[in-house]
Amino acid sequence: AQSVSQHNHHVILSEAASLELGCNYSYGGTVNLFWYVQYPGQHLQLLLKYFSGDPLVKGIKGFEAEFIKSKFSFNLRKPSVQWSDTAEYFCAVNAEDSNYQLIWGAGTKLIIKP
Amino acid sequence: DAGVIQSPRHEVTEMGQEVTLRCKPISGHNSLFWYRQTMMRGLELLIYFNNNVPIDDSGMPEDRFSAKMPNASFSTLKIQPSEPRDSAVYFCASSPWVSGGGYEQYFGPGTRLTVT
Repeated sequence: AQSVSQHNHHVILSEAASLELGCNYSYGGTVNLFWYVQYPGQHLQLLLKYFSGDPLVKGIKGFEAEFIKSKFSFNLRKPSVQWSDTAEYFCAVNAEDSNYQLIWGAGTKLIIKP
Repeated sequence: DAGVIQSPRHEVTEMGQEVTLRCKPISGHNSLFWYRQTMMRGLELLIYFNNNVPIDDSGMPEDRFSAKMPNASFSTLKIQPSEPRDSAVYFCASSPWVSGGGYEQYFGPGTRLTVT
């Protein structure tokens, strides 16, 4: 069965630090990849997505992610975080043989110290 | 577009009572998902519909939970009888079907359910 791993459950950074959140998935076929963000007390919002084409995807609020097929990874990055980036970040994957149901990672709680 | 609409936003009820959560998906979206989020278990998919038909309800915790989608613009999630362990935030999400099979889900604001 497909699975999605987010290895860091909690990350604490200072403002202006660089961010990289890991996401790995287990599936050898065609996948679509997503990062969602959930700000405190709010619903999940799409941050960025990869369907095909350029493996370096740029999203909202200065975030980007790189799809590395050989590593089954889709890590999220931001060169300089802000206090307002404090949120929980979810990686999700859908695959052709899962009826395109989204498989979710457990989430990473990011806290930015002002 | 108003986005996914959920009601009520907050629900407090006593154990044993029936609870009905409502969702209106984004117009034109043909898939609808019900999720539950708790601190202990994180985000769990309960059930999803495609073209109003339930496709996978394996995430529904037990028979006390039921979901319906009578038409393309409305879905309900019912808990009867409710128990304190059902306390959670329940999210509804909808998605279009994108050529090639991939799609993204759009989430509603959620219903925070507290069962005392």
